[in-house]
Amino acid sequence: GAVVSQHPSRVICKSGTSVKIECRSLDFQATTMFWYRQFPKKSLMLMATSNEGSKATYEQGVEKDKFLINHASLTLSTLTVTSAHPEDSSFYICSARRLSGTGGGDTQYFGPGTRLTVL
Amino acid sequence: GQNIDQPTEMTATEGAIVQINCTYQTSGFNGLFWYQQHAGEAPTFLSYNVLDGLEEKGRFSSFLSRSKGYSYLLLKELQMKDSASYLCAVRDRGDYKLSFGAGTTVTVRA
Repeated sequence: GAVVSQHPSRVICKSGTSVKIECRSLDFQATTMFWYRQFPKKSLMLMATSNEGSKATYEQGVEKDKFLINHASLTLSTLTVTSAHPEDSSFYICSARRLSGTGGGDTQYFGPGTRLTVL
Repeated sequence: GQNIDQPTEMTATEGAIVQINCTYQTSGFNGLFWYQQHAGEAPTFLSYNVLDGLEEKGRFSSFLSRSKGYSYLLLKELQMKDSASYLCAVRDRGDYKLSFGAGTTVTVRA
């Protein structure tokens, strides 16, 4: 099956610092990746759509200057949380859109998530 | 946009059957997905429906009625490891984005 990795799995940082999270599709090319945020016992909230070779599309209410997204290749997208604050602490999950496969032809496969804690 | 509703919690006994319902209102529909998520982990893909009817995959089945804006996930022969949150997600026609319901936490008891 499709495999998506995320790195790091867990990060603790001081307030004011920046944190970069990587999302990689390991066995398929993904022209589109998505970044989600999830609070405890809540559902996934889409933050932005990352398109290879073009600017990311952000959902309403998500600050694009705070959450920088770069989709430099067909297998890698990065999310950088700039000047992190405690309220940015959350579970960040990426997904990669696979255009063909066993998942119904067009399915999102999720990475294992990154737990960010800002002190 | 999408408005997706599913029950918050369900409890069932090991070996039993549980049906998780999902209703949605959508401005554009291009498929409905079910994902399983264990605490602290990312969602894993379970099923996909784009046409009306039942899709069966081993112990898990998913049903879709587009005219009613309704889907259900059926879990048979429940096992303890099936205790998890089950997320219903609808894909938008235009941009392939997924909108998730709040998730149904299923607890399987011995």
